[in-house]
Formats: sequence, C-alpha cells, structure tokens
Amino acid sequence: QSVLTQPPSVSAAPGQKVTISCSGSSSNIGNNYVSWYQQLPGTAPKLLIYDNNKRPSGIPDRFSGSKSGTSATLGITGLQTGDEADYYCGTWDSSLSGVVFGGGTKLTVL
Amino acid sequence: QVQLQESGPGLVKPSQTLSLTCTVSGGSISSGDYYWSWIRQPPGKGLEWIGYIYYSGSTYYNPSLKSRVTISVDTSKNQFSLKLSSVTAADTAVYYCARLYIVVVPAAIGEAIFDYWGQGTLVTVSS
Repeated sequence: QSVLTQPPSVSAAPGQKVTISCSGSSSNIGNNYVSWYQQLPGTAPKLLIYDNNKRPSGIPDRFSGSKSGTSATLGITGLQTGDEADYYCGTWDSSLSGVVFGGGTKLTVL
Repeated sequence: QVQLQESGPGLVKPSQTLSLTCTVSGGSISSGDYYWSWIRQPPGKGLEWIGYIYYSGSTYYNPSLKSRVTISVDTSKNQFSLKLSSVTAADTAVYYCARLYIVVVPAAIGEAIFDYWGQGTLVTVSS
C-alpha cells in the first residue's frame, strides 16, 4: 500500500487532455514539493515535473503540474500515443523521514 | 550529461546478500550539490525508495529496510554501492540508481528530486 494514492489507470483519446491525481497528507504533499515521473514501457522513470509545477529542460509544455492542499495533479494536453506510460508522483514525507511514491497510474491513449 | 549504470549479479540466493554498484559518468559524484540514491521496483509494481548517500559517506535509509541496507561510496571510482542482506523472494525487483537533489529543513518546504536515473538491473532472488 503506497503512502501516496493515485488512480490505477486513466485513458483518453489522442489530442485530448487527461489529469492524474496524487493524494497524500500534511506530512508529505501538504508541506513538501511534489515531483512527477514518466516511465515508458520497459524503461527507467524519467523526471517530468519537479517543485509541483516546474518542467526540466526538454519536457514539452503539454505536461503541467499543480498542487492544492494535500493533493497534486499532473495534466497532459494534446495526448499522443507516445505518452502511454506509467506515471508516478513522489515527495518527501516528514513523518516517515523518507521519500515516498504513489502507486503509479497507467495512461492509455485510445 | 550525467549517466548512471548499475552492475551486479542478476541472481541471488535466499538469505544471501545482494550487492550492486552504480557507476556515474559525465559528472563528479563529489560535486556536493547532489546525493546518490537507490530505488527498486518489484515486477509489475510501483517504486520504493531504498536510501541515499552523500559523497562524504553520510547515509539515509528507508526505515522499513534500514536493518538490512548498507550504501557506500567510492569517490576515486565515481561509484556508489548497495548491499541488501538476508534477501527473500520479496526483494526480487529492478534496482535503479539515481541522482537525488534533496533539501529537507525543519519547518521549511522539503524537496526530493530524482533527476537522472540508471537503466535499472533486474535482481531475482531464487535458489
């Protein structure tokens, strides 16, 4: 059971928009920055969003992040088949004194 | 461009010690701005943070694994290593090494960012 809660799967058609939620508590998301990672099939995770809403160099602006209270959201617009992947949120947990991840969300682009 | 590469046995017997090494290229492990971390992913499951080390040798481990984990660093080889003792089938996973930017200060907003990852190596625990 992951400390952060994500929906197991989401789906949408090419060109559409999708959001992935990540729910936590005051000891993690509520008081710390959230990162998001994209894991394409058979590959290592890749940093997608950090500090709630910042994109590393090379990440297209189709990807966005936001945070409100103890929840964070990853948004992807203009969906492409190449976006099919597992997406994970992560943050520091002050109570557990460690890094925690969500269980991951599988995105299917229909 | 920083690159990380895991290496080590792909098969470990139950009760033995899993040992992996991560070689860093394209940057110095002693740069001071970053920590160096291990993360694992059981087949078909999510990510689990194992621990991290600073170039000075300071370590921080996942409390749930702390009794079995040792992470060490060799700055002369630009490498850091993971040892996980008394393994069972539950330790079967893809093990990743990653560069970690982390800031955790009391009463301030913390951040933990894994910005570069190795490709991962599958370790199977089986007799």
